[in-house]
Amino acid sequence: NAGVTQTPKFQVLKTGQSMTLQCAQDMNHNSMYWYRQDPGMGLRLIYYSASEGTTDKGEVPNGYNVSRLNKREFSLRLESAAPSQTSVYFCASSERGATNEKLFFGSGTQLSVL
Amino acid sequence: SQKIEQNSEALNIQEGKTATLTCNYTNYSPAYLQWYRQDPGRGPVFLLLIRENEKEKRKERLKVTFDTTLKQSLFHITASQPADSATYLCALRGDSWGKLQFGAGTQVVVTP
Repeated sequence: NAGVTQTPKFQVLKTGQSMTLQCAQDMNHNSMYWYRQDPGMGLRLIYYSASEGTTDKGEVPNGYNVSRLNKREFSLRLESAAPSQTSVYFCASSERGATNEKLFFGSGTQLSVL
Repeated sequence: SQKIEQNSEALNIQEGKTATLTCNYTNYSPAYLQWYRQDPGRGPVFLLLIRENEKEKRKERLKVTFDTTLKQSLFHITASQPADSATYLCALRGDSWGKLQFGAGTQVVVTP
């Protein structure tokens, strides 16, 4: 049972390069999320998708785009990477419901932008 | 603005003692509060959820309290073990769906 799978685990980019972070979940969850984690700042929500076909901005969406490809997959794209986007990125999923709103996280992608 | 505060200083504690962590929040009216554990190089793992109408919740050696008047949650690890060493995050969601926000976390170090 893989849970939430993120690729790649590590990535180094030069300023201005683009890349897509991939995320897939095998728990049949409706909702998926992208967070970034920076030292001393905690996890900050970039984008989320409450259900297949919908996406919404979170707290820090600037510089990012997302695609909910299907129920399983939710990708995060950096069109023109900047050093300020150096961070650890986590994808998460949840089953929407009154008693099942806990998040399941992937193991993260460590991104460095030089 | 909304803020979640956790003690940024690591909590060093001897094995067998009780570790107590604090989560304070401002400008939220949360329906519930969650606690997660995060190990180095890994994603957070859900531990406990406590609702606004619950004063206390327990799971094995973990106990969480939630005081909506004080705007505070306390997280206790009783009979702590070295395997409990990790960073613990609290998280809140207000009324709007999808916007679970996290504190920066408190690192716990349990020494034998």
